[in-house]
Amino acid sequence: GNSVTQMEGPVTLSEEAFLTINCTYTATGYPSLFWYVQYPGEGLQLLLKATKADDKGSNKGFEATYRKETTSFHLEKGSVQVSDSAVYFCASMNRDDKIIFGKGTRLHILP
Amino acid sequence: NAGVMQNPRHLVRRRGQEARLRCSPMKGHSHVYWYRQLPEEGLKFMVYLQKENIIDESGMPKERFSAEFPKEGPSILRIQQVVRGDSAAYFCASSPPLAPLSYNEQFFGPGTRLTVL
Repeated sequence: GNSVTQMEGPVTLSEEAFLTINCTYTATGYPSLFWYVQYPGEGLQLLLKATKADDKGSNKGFEATYRKETTSFHLEKGSVQVSDSAVYFCASMNRDDKIIFGKGTRLHILP
Repeated sequence: NAGVMQNPRHLVRRRGQEARLRCSPMKGHSHVYWYRQLPEEGLKFMVYLQKENIIDESGMPKERFSAEFPKEGPSILRIQQVVRGDSAAYFCASSPPLAPLSYNEQFFGPGTRLTVL
């Protein structure tokens, strides 16, 4: 079945550091790929998405590129801020509309 | 346009009681999805509903759990005879009618955190 694997946390960085959170997927067909963010005590917010190979999703300084050859969708940000501290979920979705989530990566940014 | 609404935000039940979780989708959305997030885990799909229809319930436990999305009113996730293992955050998402040849973006509510004592 389909699955999403992302790097385990917690990840702790200093402010202005470069961020990478790895994500790989297995799927039949060509799923849409997402990164969601969950701030403490809140629900999930869609951070960015890509719906086909080589698409790059971007939002709030975060980027991720849909790589079919490596089945990856790694999240990157060039300079993180304290306000980026949250849990980040990589996810995939086929045409059946069921979102498959990774386990989440907790990110701590130190001032 | 208000987002997806869920209530209550926090629910405490004793073992054996019933839990009812409500979800009001965004205006114009006809599809509702329920997901469960166990502590330190990602979200797991439970059920997908349209008005008066269950489309996919492959993620629902076979016993004690049921879901509905009536013609009028919110979607309800019902858990009968709750046990400690039901303690989790339950998230609802909604999406608009399917667009052909396109993925169907889901918008998430804030979740209901169920604690079973």
